[in-house]
Amino acid sequence: DAGVIQSPRHEVTEMGQEVTLRCKPISGHDYLFWYRQTMMRGLELLIYFNNNVPIDDSGMPEDRFSAKMPNASFSTLKIQPSEPRDSAVYFCASSLSSQKGQFFGPGTRLTVL
Amino acid sequence: GIQVEQSPPDLILQEGANSTLRCNFSDSVNNLQWFHQNPWGQLINLFYIPSGTKQNGRLSATTVATERYSLLYISSSQTTDSGVYFCAVGTGGFKTIFGAGTRLFVKA
Repeated sequence: DAGVIQSPRHEVTEMGQEVTLRCKPISGHDYLFWYRQTMMRGLELLIYFNNNVPIDDSGMPEDRFSAKMPNASFSTLKIQPSEPRDSAVYFCASSLSSQKGQFFGPGTRLTVL
Repeated sequence: GIQVEQSPPDLILQEGANSTLRCNFSDSVNNLQWFHQNPWGQLINLFYIPSGTKQNGRLSATTVATERYSLLYISSSQTTDSGVYFCAVGTGGFKTIFGAGTRLFVKA
């Protein structure tokens, strides 16, 4: 059974460019989470979805960030325009409401030059 | 918002030793998880434990929700236990707040 899949694993881009991160949750899971990890701020929840509907986006840092979940097997996190301070590891996780433990993907390491 | 404090921040053990990691939280929670982040960055879910005690091999965890703390026990530590251990709590729905972690290094 495949775990949470994220792509790309590494992304290097220049300031001002659009960045799109992708996530495929574990099949059957009805919750999906996007996190960001930095040395300064640790692990922060950005947004989470239930049954493809955004429930809480209070952690999204600013309007440059947006997330979508068009279907149960795919989600994107977009940054437009990107800035150097967005450099971080972005994790996607999924969960089953009846069990509640979250399972993380391998992360995308984003570097904005 | 809720505060999550983990202690100790850093821990060095000799292989075979036992250890206890602590997580204190400032408000009532309805979910609590322990994670291990290995040296390659992968986050592994160890326990979902909003209350009570669970065991999985050499690891066990206890949460005393009324006193707002949780403990993670590692027995007979191995070098592969090295990494960062995170406690994460939720107060409503699935909104999750992570502690700063305990960095563990196990020496051979």
